[in-house]
Amino acid sequence: DQQVKQNSPSLSVQEGRISILNCDYTNSMFDYFLWYKKYPAEGPTFLISISSIKDKNEDGRFTVFLNKSAKHLSLHIVPSQPGDSAVYFCAGHNYGQNFVFGPGTRLSVLP
Amino acid sequence: GAGVSQTPSNKVTEKGKYVELRCDPISGHTALYWYRQSLGQGPEFLIYFQGTGAADDSGLPNDRFFAVRPEGSVSTLKIQRTERGDSAVYLCASSPTWGSGANVLTFGAGSRLTVL
Repeated sequence: DQQVKQNSPSLSVQEGRISILNCDYTNSMFDYFLWYKKYPAEGPTFLISISSIKDKNEDGRFTVFLNKSAKHLSLHIVPSQPGDSAVYFCAGHNYGQNFVFGPGTRLSVLP
Repeated sequence: GAGVSQTPSNKVTEKGKYVELRCDPISGHTALYWYRQSLGQGPEFLIYFQGTGAADDSGLPNDRFFAVRPEGSVSTLKIQRTERGDSAVYLCASSPTWGSGANVLTFGAGSRLTVL
């Protein structure tokens, strides 16, 4: 039972354009959603999060949108930069329990 | 320390051997998590600690896997009678407290285990 799904294994975007990474979930008890970025041979690093009571959170070039009725969230990166090339993981958190991660989407930003 | 430290960074062992992986969390972080990441997959939850006790070990795949955190700081993941399917990157993460998703996880670089 995959509680967090990222249906696009990879995405390529031109530098300067918008990157949109999508995530779907099945567990309606998640109270927070988080995005992590991972470079090769490094651990995932936190990028941005959103509470389940919000529908948008913005931090610089990164914005996360949450649509609870559709059980869908997305991460927007504007403008995309070559240094953004990495694997992005979506995660959901169930209060008092653990964090559940999706399989990841590999983003390539082309110069 | 400044970040989460994991040792060894790489471990190659033979099928059937015993392995220990160590995690040194950020000083003062009470919550500690172990995840396993196989090639092309996302991190898969194994176990997490609140202080010294395992708050949730539901992700441990079988009784060959065991983890301890005796003094509420350093944790060791122990794998007995290793199998080739145990090959993966084992990630450790810590957070200041537990319970809320607002407590962001800080990950170590991982320990890559290869079972021949």
